[in-house]
Amino acid sequence: DADVTQTPRNRITKTGKRIMLECSQTKGHDRMYWYRQDPGLGLRLIYYSFDVKDINKGEISDGYSVSRQAQAKFSLSLESAIPNQTALYFCATSGNIDAGELFFGEGSRLTVL
Amino acid sequence: GQNIDQPTEMTATEGAIVQINCTYQTSGFNGLFWYQQHAGEAPTFLSYNVLDGLEEKGRFSSFLSRSKGYSYLLLKELQMKDSASYLCAVMDSNYQLIWGAGTKLIIKP
Repeated sequence: DADVTQTPRNRITKTGKRIMLECSQTKGHDRMYWYRQDPGLGLRLIYYSFDVKDINKGEISDGYSVSRQAQAKFSLSLESAIPNQTALYFCATSGNIDAGELFFGEGSRLTVL
Repeated sequence: GQNIDQPTEMTATEGAIVQINCTYQTSGFNGLFWYQQHAGEAPTFLSYNVLDGLEEKGRFSSFLSRSKGYSYLLLKELQMKDSASYLCAVMDSNYQLIWGAGTKLIIKP
């Protein structure tokens, strides 16, 4: 089983719908991240969390929200999806010491029509 | 602003050597990272440099010059499975990772 699991892996939805992407990890890491990846662009950080009570906005948090339900779970929500949120979304974790070594989930491909 | 530059695409021949360059301008520096990403898959960690010089790990090596804001990833004895995108990322003074857009490496027989 993967150490970092994302669900759903693929989702097609319509403009205005609420979408939740879920992430769970068995690495025992405190730090969790949500990124989006678009063709020709680098990974862009949406939100990150360094522990259950810590939530921080990343570079592109507008239109997104997150919830850290437990050390192992970090979900990303799009309250009202729009077409330019069509992208590949990755959840990642890292340890506190080797914080730059990220462990990524397999990705969630979201299409907003 | 913060910026990471790397070539968009490179082509190399199986068995050969290829060097993928990365230049960066960031607010502070706390390490440079290389990741490999096969098409449709998640990025996986390859290497980490925080001091100047060369770090070797099997067929892959990574070099850093902090004074020049420059790194390269060297891949030797290329194999078809090395066809992937290679992502350069720098950790800035706030311990945030700044990512380049990635270099797509195409390996030809």
